Amino acid sequence: ETGVTQTPRHLVMGMTNKKSLKCEQHLGHNAMYWYKQSAKKPLELMFVYSLEERVENNSVPSRFSPECPNSSHLFLHLHTLQPEDSALYLCASSPDRGQGAVGEKLFFGSGTQLSVL
Amino acid sequence: GQNIDQPTEMTATEGAIVQINCTYQTSGFNGLFWYQQHAGEAPTFLSYNVLDGLEEKGRFSSFLSRSKGYSYLLLKELQMKDSASYLCAVRDNYGQNFVFGPGTRLSVLP
Repeated sequence: ETGVTQTPRHLVMGMTNKKSLKCEQHLGHNAMYWYKQSAKKPLELMFVYSLEERVENNSVPSRFSPECPNSSHLFLHLHTLQPEDSALYLCASSPDRGQGAVGEKLFFGSGTQLSVL
Repeated sequence: GQNIDQPTEMTATEGAIVQINCTYQTSGFNGLFWYQQHAGEAPTFLSYNVLDGLEEKGRFSSFLSRSKGYSYLLLKELQMKDSASYLCAVRDNYGQNFVFGPGTRLSVLP
């Protein structure tokens, strides 16, 4: 148990569906992340929020829409996805005590395995 | 650009020692991390290096050379449960950006 909880663990959706992924962290961290993990590819950073403010958005298609209502919760809203969006979506958090802080590591949730049909 | 390389797959025998290499070229550097990920599970933190040299934690050690853009993870006395993917990641200078390599899938055979 890493202190980061993701739901659902598995999701199958059609290309016209709308669904949301949820992430919750109980670690008191300030930063939360969405990563995409496709087979045989590196983890791709999608979004980063620090103190509920989005600080990174790596050219992610608009069919992915993040929401961070507070520093403990993060959502990823999905609509009109494509089959190539099928992947493991990982949420993570980090303390984010400032750019000068060293040794800060990511704590990951178990991920949502998404299949788009 | 940001680039991290690792071997895709490795195989070793139970009880042996294995070294997983990682080379990186990133726009900044604020630490190198190793994570272990079992299939279907969350990546979990193994080790961290920010200065050159060796960091040892039980059966696991990690080495860093910043001038060479190189790190390795050393696993001793391999156990079957060490079969997993090992992810190398670099935190660059820009706050929250962690760049990951493709991961090395290690299979430990009896």
